[in-house]
Amino acid sequence: GENVEQHPSTLSVQEGDSAVIKCTYSDSASNYFPWYKQELGKRPQLIIDIRSNVGEKKDQRIAVTLNKTAKHFSLHITETQPEDSAVYFCAASIHSSGSARQLTFGSGTQLTVLP
Amino acid sequence: NAGVTQTPKFQVLKTGQSMTLQCAQDMNHNSMYWYRQDPGMGLRLIYYSASEGTTDKGEVPNGYNVSRLNKREFSLRLESAAPSQTSVYFCAAGSGGARVGSYEQYFGPGTRLTVT
Repeated sequence: GENVEQHPSTLSVQEGDSAVIKCTYSDSASNYFPWYKQELGKRPQLIIDIRSNVGEKKDQRIAVTLNKTAKHFSLHITETQPEDSAVYFCAASIHSSGSARQLTFGSGTQLTVLP
Repeated sequence: NAGVTQTPKFQVLKTGQSMTLQCAQDMNHNSMYWYRQDPGMGLRLIYYSASEGTTDKGEVPNGYNVSRLNKREFSLRLESAAPSQTSVYFCAAGSGGARVGSYEQYFGPGTRLTVT
C-alpha cells in the first residue's frame, strides 16, 4: 500500500518568515495530494490540494509543488502569521472504487509561528 | 447546512464493552470514510463506503465493523473494545470528483474515545 513520509515533525519560524513542509510518497499511482490544517481539538480542514497533472498551485500565501518523478511534494507558506500555527498533514490518494478515494496521511508537522 | 456531524463527542468504555459511533452528512456526497487519529501517527483509514450499500476495508479495519445505512449515514461499531482502540475517530464525506474539480473530503468534529 501507499506510504507517506512527512518532514519535519516540528517547525518553528518567526512571524513573517516562510515555512516549508515536505512529503514523499511511494505509490506511483497516487494522483491527488491534499494538505490539511488541524488546530488543537478541531477537525482537519483542507487548505490546498494538487493533482498529478499539475506541478504547482498557489492560493494567496500558500503554495504546493509536486515532483512526480521524485515522488515528493511540498507545502510553502509565505509571510507566516501567528494564526498559521497548527498541525499540517499531507496526504496522497488513489482512486479506489466508485466515487471513493483512499487518503494516506503523513504523520503531521507542528508549525509554530513566533511573534 | 451542518456538513458532517458525529455523535457522541466523548465516550469512555471499559474493555470488552461495545458501542456504535454515528456519522451523518447533509452534503449529498456519495463516499464516506472513518479514520482514527493517534498522537504522532496522523490519520489512518479504518473503513470507507463508495456509495450506499457498499463498504470496504481501509488500512486498519481489525476490531471494527461499519454500516452504510443510507446515503446520509455511516456508522462505526466496536464489538469488544480494547485499550488499543483509544483514539480520536473522524468521519468524512467526499464527492470523489462528482462535483467538478473537487476530491475534497470534509471531516466531522470527531469522537474522542477512551477504553480503560
